[in-house]
Amino acid sequence: DAMVIQNPRYQVTQFGKPVTLSCSQTLNHNVMYWYQQKSSQAPKLLFHYYDKDFNNEADTPDNFQSRRPNTSFCFLDIRSPGLGDTAMYLCATSRDSGGSSPLHFGNGTRLTVT
Amino acid sequence: GQNIDQPTEMTATEGAIVQINCTYQTSGFNGLFWYQQHAGEAPTFLSYNVLDGLEEKGRFSSFLSRSKGYSYLLLKELQMKDSASYLCAVRDSNYQLIWGAGTKLIIKP
Repeated sequence: DAMVIQNPRYQVTQFGKPVTLSCSQTLNHNVMYWYQQKSSQAPKLLFHYYDKDFNNEADTPDNFQSRRPNTSFCFLDIRSPGLGDTAMYLCATSRDSGGSSPLHFGNGTRLTVT
Repeated sequence: GQNIDQPTEMTATEGAIVQINCTYQTSGFNGLFWYQQHAGEAPTFLSYNVLDGLEEKGRFSSFLSRSKGYSYLLLKELQMKDSASYLCAVRDSNYQLIWGAGTKLIIKP
C-alpha cells in the first residue's frame, strides 16, 4: 500500500543534543510537510516543500531545519532541542497544494527532550 | 487574524448521533477538511467540502455554509472506536491550511 512512513516512532533526546527525524513516501506526491503538534493543540506547520521548492513558515524557530534530497524522502533536523520542543512531529504529503488535495499523514514521531 | 473555532470536548452515547461544529474566519476560502485523530496517532482524512450543502460518506456526513463560515461533522450510529479528536481545517486564499485545535469526542457505552 502506498503510504507515508516516519522513523523513529518514538525518540528521546537530551537537551541540546541534535536529532534528525525522517519521513518517506511511496505516494509520489509533490508536496511534503512537517508539522509540530503539542497535546490538545492544532498542528503547527513548520516547513513544506513543493517539489524542491522549500517554504519556511515565518515563525519556525531557526533551530529547526529541513532537507528533501529527493521526491521520496524528507528530514527534519533539530539542531539544539529545548524542553519546549517535546511534541509529536508529523510528516504529511499531498498530491499538490490545490484546494481539494487532502493531506496524508505518517504515524508521527513522538519526541521527548529531557 | 485567521481563526477556527471548535468545541474542546463532547460526550455522546454509543449508538447515538453527534454533531461537531466548526466556525471559521479566514482570508478567503478554498475548501474545508475534517480529519479524525486517535490519541497518539496521526490525523486521517474524513471529508472535504468546497460547495454549500451536505456530503455523506457512510456513517459520517459533513455540511458547509460558506455564507455563515460554518461547518459541521455528523456522526451516526456511534461506535466506541469513534472516540477520537476531530479536527477542522480550512484552506485560505493562499491555499494555506488553517487548523482548529480539534474536538475530543468521548463515547460512553
